[in-house]
Amino acid sequence: QKEVEQDPGPLSVPEGAIVSLNCTYSNSAFQYFMWYRQYSRKGPELLMYTYSSGNKEDGRFTAQVDKSSKYISLFIRDSQPSDSATYLCAMWVDSSYKLIFGSGTRLLVRP
Amino acid sequence: DVKVTQSSRYLVKRTGEKVFLECVQDMDHENMFWYRQDPGLGLRLIYFSYDVKMKEKGDIPEGYSVSREKKERFSLILESASTNQTSMYLCASTDVGAQDEQYFGPGTRLTVT
Repeated sequence: QKEVEQDPGPLSVPEGAIVSLNCTYSNSAFQYFMWYRQYSRKGPELLMYTYSSGNKEDGRFTAQVDKSSKYISLFIRDSQPSDSATYLCAMWVDSSYKLIFGSGTRLLVRP
Repeated sequence: DVKVTQSSRYLVKRTGEKVFLECVQDMDHENMFWYRQDPGLGLRLIYFSYDVKMKEKGDIPEGYSVSREKKERFSLILESASTNQTSMYLCASTDVGAQDEQYFGPGTRLTVT
């Protein structure tokens, strides 16, 4: 079993839709949760970062962590074609040097 | 503007060749990483370096070695390339204690024939 599970998609939605991207994980020691966005032929870039449980909002993006269920989500409101990318969740234990990444969900936002 | 650059965007090599992938960062970061990215498998850590001349094995170090002679430069070496090393290779760097914010290079698409 992978430490972090993520549906690969693709997820195709019309412009303006609300998008929900999710990851589940098995290691209860994870404390830091990130979402990276990766455009085609580019390296990933950090989009959102959350410590422990709760919500964090940044413009059209909301990151949610539910540690009791070992489940994290990224919501995108009013999705735009420019949001079309692969979204990778990542997690980290403080005391470790490495991030554990999900395999990524490919999102397509149709104009 | 922070920047991580990789020596090649696309590379084609033959089985058995020695391959060098170079990564340079201009942010004075202590930590540098090499990942490979494959469909369905996500990013897997090959090697990590937390200081000049220091290195740690990641999850899949077999068939690879690394070199970090200068703080800004981290090289990945495939001693004898094999077809199962065909992949996208990504370099990243972070500041000390900031593992959450990894800055990635654009990647090198390596094909071994």
